[in-house]
Amino acid sequence: QSVLTQPPSASGTPGQTVTLSCSGGGSNIGRRPVNWYQHLPGTAPKLLIHSTNQRPSGVPDRFSGSKSGTSASLAISGLQSDDESIYYCAARDDSLSGLVFGGGTKLTVL
Amino acid sequence: QVQLQQSGPGLVKPSQTLSLTCAISGDSVSSNRAAWNWIRQSPSRGLEWLGRTLYSSEWFNEYAVSVKSRITISSDTSKNQFSLQLNSVTPEDTAVYYCARGYYDGSAVDYWGQGTLVTVSS
Repeated sequence: QSVLTQPPSASGTPGQTVTLSCSGGGSNIGRRPVNWYQHLPGTAPKLLIHSTNQRPSGVPDRFSGSKSGTSASLAISGLQSDDESIYYCAARDDSLSGLVFGGGTKLTVL
Repeated sequence: QVQLQQSGPGLVKPSQTLSLTCAISGDSVSSNRAAWNWIRQSPSRGLEWLGRTLYSSEWFNEYAVSVKSRITISSDTSKNQFSLQLNSVTPEDTAVYYCARGYYDGSAVDYWGQGTLVTVSS
């Protein structure tokens, strides 16, 4: 249903590196920068990565973003219990003339 | 530091109009470097961008296809705020609504309001 496709769930253990994926198409990820948001229920989403691989001030360098073709990834290294959250990818879609989101991946830290 | 403060009712009856306002501090609604967005989140639909307004010599709006026939986003420069109106609401419009500052090119949003749970119910 979402324009961008994310797996609904992922998990990892403390200290591990996990990679979350986001798949799109030529009108969005294929030609536009990708953003990642961390969303804890009851709070506003937080911008983690913008412009595909740039971290806003205050975001730890454990979070990194990349893309290849029409897919993007968010890597979280040194996984911590605080990282347990829902992660959304987003990008502008030139065909729809708006911002589109993935369905979100719920990350569980075991 | 940009701050966005939302206000508006949390309960709207079906077929009526949902109205929310977002007051901006630390930036200007008529900035030529930012756009002002409305986004909603529900368990069934996840995050859904609804639309944005921005100023570039004149006001310009973009709306999501899913709500284009029912939505209006407007701005009030005297109060430095922007507003959302969503007409003919149904229970499917029940969601947490967020206002957010976005990049001028529409590629991302960075600062978010606190969110308002709007329930559509009689």
